Order: sequence, then C-alpha cells, then structure tokens
Amino acid sequence: QVQLQESGPGLVKPSQTLSLTCTVSGGSINSGDYYWNWIRQSPGKGLEWIGYIYYSGTTFYIPSLKSRVAISIDTSKNQFSLKLSSVTAADTAVYFCARGRRVTIERCYFDYWGQGALVTVSS
Amino acid sequence: SYELPQPPSVSVSPGQTATITCFGEALAKQHAHWYQQKPGQAPVLVIYKDNERPSGIPERFSGSRSGTTVTLTISGVQAEDEADYYCQSGDTNGIPVVFGGGTKLTVL
Repeated sequence: QVQLQESGPGLVKPSQTLSLTCTVSGGSINSGDYYWNWIRQSPGKGLEWIGYIYYSGTTFYIPSLKSRVAISIDTSKNQFSLKLSSVTAADTAVYFCARGRRVTIERCYFDYWGQGALVTVSS
Repeated sequence: SYELPQPPSVSVSPGQTATITCFGEALAKQHAHWYQQKPGQAPVLVIYKDNERPSGIPERFSGSRSGTTVTLTISGVQAEDEADYYCQSGDTNGIPVVFGGGTKLTVL
C-alpha cells in the first residue's frame, strides 16, 4: 500500500522560506508512471495545485507561484520536497503531497495523498 | 487562480440521487477526475478519467461527460456521502492541473 507523509516546520515567519518534504513508502518514486505533486488548501477554501516533479527532474509550476516555488526530488531517499520563498500570511494553508498517475503527457490524476501538513505564516 | 466552475452547494435527502456538475472548455478534450473530501481529511479519488471508479469506491458513485460539462452522480445517497467534492482536469492554456471550486454536498 502506497503511503505519502509530509514533514516540515508548522510555523514560518513572513518573508522566509517554507520547506516541506514528502516521504513515499510502499512504492518507488523512480517511475515514469507518476508525477509527484504539491497541492495546498487555505483555511476554508478549495484545493490549489502548486506544481509537480517527474522522476527525471522535470518540473511544472502554476504560473502564479512560479517565481517563488521550487520542487526537487531525491530518488535515493524516495522523497520529494517543496520550497516556497518570500512567504506571506496568504501562504498559510494545509499542504498536501500527492501521487499523480500519468494519463497523458503532463496530465494526471491523484490516486494517493498525504494526510496534509498545516503551515502557518506568522511572526 | 483559475478554477473550473462548480455549484457551491447541493442538498439531497438520503436515498435520493445527487448530481454535481463541473464546466470548462478544456473538459471537451481532457479527462476529468473527482475527489471527495471530508472535514479534516485529505481528498479521496472517487472517479478518474471521466467515468472510471477506483477499487473500494461504492458503485453508487458514477461519472459522465457531455461536451464541456462533466457530472458526478451519487445514486442512493447515504449520510456518509456528506462532503466537499472537487473536479479536476487540465486547462486549455497548458496548465496540467486545475481544480474546480468545490461543491458542498449536504445530506438532509
């Protein structure tokens, strides 16, 4: 059974960098069948896709966050990570990592999700 | 941020049929997927590639597509189906993932 688990600080100061890691167990991250995604949900709001990384290192970010986001992958540890710089209170959200099963090139659906990690941006 | 339009809320009585729709030009050419999210939990995939049901998802969940509209249908709604439901696809400008705004299903 595939499992994903987010880890990282739950509190980040404004203007600093938010860092989260997703550890994947029960399956290899080094597969061409999947995209490895970060998705967030602000309190009381809907789901917002942040971006994904492919096992080869290819990334795709949502344009509104592209200047502040970096997603990396460590296949030796079966982990992938999110960095979001220059955070503000608007970045306060539950951050989910999710496995995206590839449908076509660049298109996927999310068959496994982490439980989510609440990150609060506050001084 | 870009969202696929969904009705904000749908209410049905137990045993009735709930239909939740999602609209978008991109849906005419790309698959849609649906997620159920209960409070405090991660979303769960209930329909993928328009009408495929993952293992473990009850048969009362089904999906369909007509032109630029996709529909999630829950037949014989049960109290445990009360949740938020999100559609997901790509968009016409090359963004791989776009979510719908979400629909809150209330079981009366």
